[in-house]
Amino acid sequence: DAGVTQSPTHLIKTRGQQVTLRCSPKSGHDTVSWYQQALGQGPQFIFQYYEEEERQRGNFPDRFSGHQFPNYSSELNVNALLLGDSALYLCASSSRQGRSPLHFGNGTRLTVT
Amino acid sequence: AQSVSQHNHHVILSEAASLELGCNYSYGGTVNLFWYVQYPGQHLQLLLKYFSGDPLVKGIKGFEAEFIKSKFSFNLRKPSVQWSDTAEYFCAVNAESSEQAGTALIFGKGTTLSVSS
Repeated sequence: DAGVTQSPTHLIKTRGQQVTLRCSPKSGHDTVSWYQQALGQGPQFIFQYYEEEERQRGNFPDRFSGHQFPNYSSELNVNALLLGDSALYLCASSSRQGRSPLHFGNGTRLTVT
Repeated sequence: AQSVSQHNHHVILSEAASLELGCNYSYGGTVNLFWYVQYPGQHLQLLLKYFSGDPLVKGIKGFEAEFIKSKFSFNLRKPSVQWSDTAEYFCAVNAESSEQAGTALIFGKGTTLSVSS
């Protein structure tokens, strides 16, 4: 059991469409981070949310946006999808208290055709 | 900018062989270091972490890693691998800050370990 749950597990979209991915953090965690993992690569940091605000952002365009809800769950939105957005999107949660390593979900596999 | 290099893309070993996976990072300041493992069909799991103190850290399943600051390295080791260790291994680093560890991890590209029985 990952503790971090993501939905959906797989998604197929067409270029130009928009997509929303969802994440529920592990119980007791209040911080959610999103990563993109392209085939054969390590995860790349997209952004992090805490207290319903984006706290840190990686090198991703504004087409990538997110949201965190009062219950700490989070959404990742990607607009104007490109073929290059095809990847595994990972959600990771952690606790702001102390040195809490990231706990990852199983990811959402997005395919853009 | 921070970066992480993992030297081996694919390592193939027989059971009982010893394992060492290389990891080097580039960052001038104080860092936190991690090794994550991803077994086939499963989520990324933390193997071990280094924040400070003893540079030799022990993790789960008999893995250990040594932080050598002068070499900017954090190599992963296991004396005797098992078939069940077949997985992808990722080294990751983030800058030490006053905030929680785990913020904005920078990952290497990963090393695929295949262990034959």
